[in-house]
This record gives sequence, C-alpha cells and structure tokens, in this order.
Amino acid sequence: NAGVIQTPRHKVTGKGQEATLWCEPISGHSAVFWYRQTIVQGLEFLTYFRNQAPIDDSGMPKERFSAQMPNQSHSTLKIQSTQPQDSAVYLCASSWGTGEDTQYFGPGTRLLVL
Amino acid sequence: GMPVEQNPPALSLYEGAESGLRCNFSTTMKGVQWFQQNHRGRLITLFYLAQGTKENGRLKSTFNSKERYSTLHIKDAQLEDSGTYFCAVEGGTNTGKLTFGDGTVLTVKP
Repeated sequence: NAGVIQTPRHKVTGKGQEATLWCEPISGHSAVFWYRQTIVQGLEFLTYFRNQAPIDDSGMPKERFSAQMPNQSHSTLKIQSTQPQDSAVYLCASSWGTGEDTQYFGPGTRLLVL
Repeated sequence: GMPVEQNPPALSLYEGAESGLRCNFSTTMKGVQWFQQNHRGRLITLFYLAQGTKENGRLKSTFNSKERYSTLHIKDAQLEDSGTYFCAVEGGTNTGKLTFGDGTVLTVKP
C-alpha cells in the first residue's frame, strides 16, 4: 500500500498562471479530502468527495479554485490565475468513508506563486 | 467554524520524560484525530477516537465528547517524538471534514 499519492511534490508558478494538483487516494477508499496549510492560517479544510460525488466544498475559495474527482483513483485541485496568497502546502487525504473513520494524508504539494 | 484550542502551544521534554497535550473544542464533536507532523511536513496519523481511550505503545489518547476535550499522553519521550502535534475534530452530519487546532510543538532533548 503506497498510501495517498500526491503529484507534483513541488510546484512554482508565476502570478496569473494555472496550477493543477493531483491526488491518488488509497485503493478502496471512497472519501477524498483536500486541505491546505499555511503559516498564518494553519490547516484548513477545502473540499470533500465521497464515491466521487462532491459532498462539502464549504472551504473552497469561491473564485479560481475548483476540484474534480473523475474516477475513484484520482482527484484534482485546479487553481486558475494563481496569486501569491495561494502559496501553501496542499494536502490530500482519504478514508474508507464509512463515517467515524481515520483520514490518511498524502505528503502534500508545496505550491509557490511568484 | 468550530474553534479547536490546543495546549500548550509548545512543550520541551527530556528523553524518557512524559507529558500530556490537550485539545478543547467548543461544541460536541463526532470524533477526534491526532497527528504528528514531522520535520519533513508529513502528517502521520496517530489515533482516531469516536469515544473512550486508545493506546499504542508509548502513546495514549482519550476523547470525552460530553466534556469537549481530548488528550494525548506521551511517555518515555524519544528524540523522534519531536514535531508538531495536531488534534483535529470531526463534527456535524454528512461531512467528514476535520477542523484542526493550531498544534503543539514538541521538542525532545537528549
């Protein structure tokens, strides 16, 4: 079991460019979560899928951020027109999705917007 | 949101010592999860609790939903225990999202 896989591990973009982050959940897990971590805000929830359906996107910025889960083996987080304040470590987690279960985190993608 | 307060913000221990970390939250939660974030930034799952107490080696965690707190106890601290410890609570219905505390930075000294 390779755990949750995230690619790329590091990404540098220029202001205004698009960034796409990838997450492969643990095989068999039906719930996928996205979080981000910054020094100022700490760890924040962004969005959550269960069985590929979006369940809760209450943490997603209303503009420029979108997330997809086209199949059970991967999810993407896309940031359009990136801004310096989007710089953060973006973390993906997965769980069995049965309720009251452990979330396992990937290594994160460190995004730097210049 | 649902504020999660962790105490202490920082803790220093010598090898072999023991101490406890505490997590308080403002409303009744469905569950709590504890993580260690190591020097590489990786979040390592320690425990998930929906109630009661769990123990794993030198670590022990309790969750009291009614009193709105959870604790993580570390005994016989080792150098590799250094890192930031986060508690994260799961609340509400139809969502598994975690709300994190600000963490406790633990330094274990030789």
